[in-house]
Amino acid sequence: AQSVTQPDIHITVSEGASLELRCNYSYGATPYLFWYVQSPGQGLQLLLKYFSGDTLVQGIKGFEAEFKRSQSSFNLRKPSVHWSDAAEYFCAVARMDSSYKLIFGSGTRLLVRP
Amino acid sequence: DTAVSQTPKYLVTQMGNDKSIKCEQNLGHDTMYWYKQDSKKFLKIMFSYNNKELIINETVPNRFSPKSPDKAHLNLHINSLELGDSAVYFCASRPTKGNEQYFGPGTRLTVT
Repeated sequence: AQSVTQPDIHITVSEGASLELRCNYSYGATPYLFWYVQSPGQGLQLLLKYFSGDTLVQGIKGFEAEFKRSQSSFNLRKPSVHWSDAAEYFCAVARMDSSYKLIFGSGTRLLVRP
Repeated sequence: DTAVSQTPKYLVTQMGNDKSIKCEQNLGHDTMYWYKQDSKKFLKIMFSYNNKELIINETVPNRFSPKSPDKAHLNLHINSLELGDSAVYFCASRPTKGNEQYFGPGTRLTVT
């Protein structure tokens, strides 16, 4: 069965520091992978996605993620974090059948120190 | 020009009541979803409709019944509400020729 693991429940970084959020997936074929961000009290916003091709994908707000098949990982990175990046981040994999339903990881809460 | 909208944003009700949450998307998408986010922020698929037809029905109690009057709307009706139904419910939509889903702002349901 497909699954997504985000091993870090919380991460705290200083403003201006770099960030990496980890995501590992379990899926039998090439997955469709996503990162979503949820600000407090808000809905989910798509940051970026990977379907095929270049394994380094760029997203909105200066985020990028790298797909590594050998490690079953899709880690999210940002070179310099801003205070407004404090939020909950969710990694997800889509089932590649007619439903394309999303299977989410448990989320990582990012806290940003001034 | 909201893409995916949900009403109400907040819903507080007592155990045993019946309530509905509405979702509308103006993106022209064919597929819509309901997800439940529990108190630990875990998100799980509940239902999906494609062009008014049910295509996903996860292990959800029969008290939950989705209805899609047209492909732009997917409503969620919940009978006999229980304390454990307290959660944030998210609607999402996806284009036929795309893989990403666009989420609504969520409805926070509190059952007392």
